[in-house]
Amino acid sequence: GAGVSQTPSNKVTEKGKYVELRCDPISGHTALYWYRQSLGQGPEFLIYFQGTGAADDSGLPNDRFFAVRPEGSVSTLKIQRTERGDSAVYLCASSLTVGDTQYFGPGTRLTVL
Amino acid sequence: AQTVTQSQPEMSVQEAETVTLSCTYDTSESDYYLFWYKQPPSRQMILVIRQEAYKQQNATENRFSVNFQKAAKSFSLKISDSQLGDAAMYFCAYRSRIGGSEKLVFGKGTKLTVNP
Repeated sequence: GAGVSQTPSNKVTEKGKYVELRCDPISGHTALYWYRQSLGQGPEFLIYFQGTGAADDSGLPNDRFFAVRPEGSVSTLKIQRTERGDSAVYLCASSLTVGDTQYFGPGTRLTVL
Repeated sequence: AQTVTQSQPEMSVQEAETVTLSCTYDTSESDYYLFWYKQPPSRQMILVIRQEAYKQQNATENRFSVNFQKAAKSFSLKISDSQLGDAAMYFCAYRSRIGGSEKLVFGKGTKLTVNP
């Protein structure tokens, strides 16, 4: 189908709140990736899924961050007790299978006040 | 760990001219992929070109080509006949071919301005 979609486009929250960011991959893509892009930096890897399971979560900064992909399609990145330092653009990408080219969505800009 | 360095925070080029963006990387691996992605203000990362390290021939995609120097660990992007729509952030990225290492490692980016 269409490209990778992410919702919301922008999210403003207060310090200490919980947020969920959603990613809808390209139809049929089995691999899904999350990256975080801070201002003036390149994207940094957070986690990737092959199907429903997290194959590599080595980039998650701490246990406040968690991601799921229960049916092997849509994924949700969850951040608990948000901090101002979590403010960034969160990018999602998908690929047909592991090892293929990653196609990115437009990202969610998270601002923690 | 692999690192990617883009030493030019900003570059500018006149429309229709040619510009080269630099990228160097550090790795102990012999087989890997290298990429250039374009990020316009819309934030969406768009793949420009991809190079497989075991291929000696430089990749080309229309007006975009790379100069891949494996021994020097250098991977520059040349944009020919620059167009206003080429203005964007450009990111160089590395991906290992070792099984299980699927993450892209990005540089900090180069902001390209195209002057009419």
